[in-house]
Amino acid sequence: NAGVTQTPKFRILKIGQSMTLQCTQDMNHNYMYWYRQDPGMGLKLIYYSVGAGITDKGEVPNGYNVSRSTTEDFPLRLELAAPSQTSVYFCASSLGSSGRAGDTQYFGPGTRLTVL
Amino acid sequence: GDSVTQMEGPVTLSEEAFLTINCTYTATGYPSLFWYVQYPGEGLQLLLKATKADDKGSNKGFEATYRKETTSFHLEKGSVQVSDSAVYFCAPYSGGSNYKLTFGKGTLLTVNP
Repeated sequence: NAGVTQTPKFRILKIGQSMTLQCTQDMNHNYMYWYRQDPGMGLKLIYYSVGAGITDKGEVPNGYNVSRSTTEDFPLRLELAAPSQTSVYFCASSLGSSGRAGDTQYFGPGTRLTVL
Repeated sequence: GDSVTQMEGPVTLSEEAFLTINCTYTATGYPSLFWYVQYPGEGLQLLLKATKADDKGSNKGFEATYRKETTSFHLEKGSVQVSDSAVYFCAPYSGGSNYKLTFGKGTLLTVNP
């Protein structure tokens, strides 16, 4: 199992450009998440999904969009990049079952995004 | 909603020193409690967890005990190694339909040889 994979690893954007961060998991997890990590600020939840076709906003959704057409993939779209979106982005997944064993989240290696 | 307060870092120790990173939380009901670790340049990975009061989670020599009376989940290790240098995150999870974790700000640990 590759677990959670993210592409690209690094990216530099100009203000106003758009891009999609890719996230794929091969664990057949129902739940997937996007976080951003700013220096010294911990992780903030951007969007999450409880299954294919279902997404919902997290704490900081403005400026982002997501879709979940398959169980495996959960791309994050930035439409008009702004310097405030410079951050490290992590995708995660969890089984999401009703039992306690399903609540562990597995993280990808991250995408470091700089907007200039 | 859930919240968590972690000991502020950075924490710098010598190899073989004793480590404690404090974590207190507020959450509804009986949350599961997690410690995640982030090694340099990597994503977060689960270090240990505890799912009910008085449970002790342990992994790689690290331990944390679920203390409901003090709403705490302090991380400890008896003898740290240089390879333990990382950022450590405490996270409660109260359950519900969205399985959202609430992360602390993280504590940077540096272990010197």
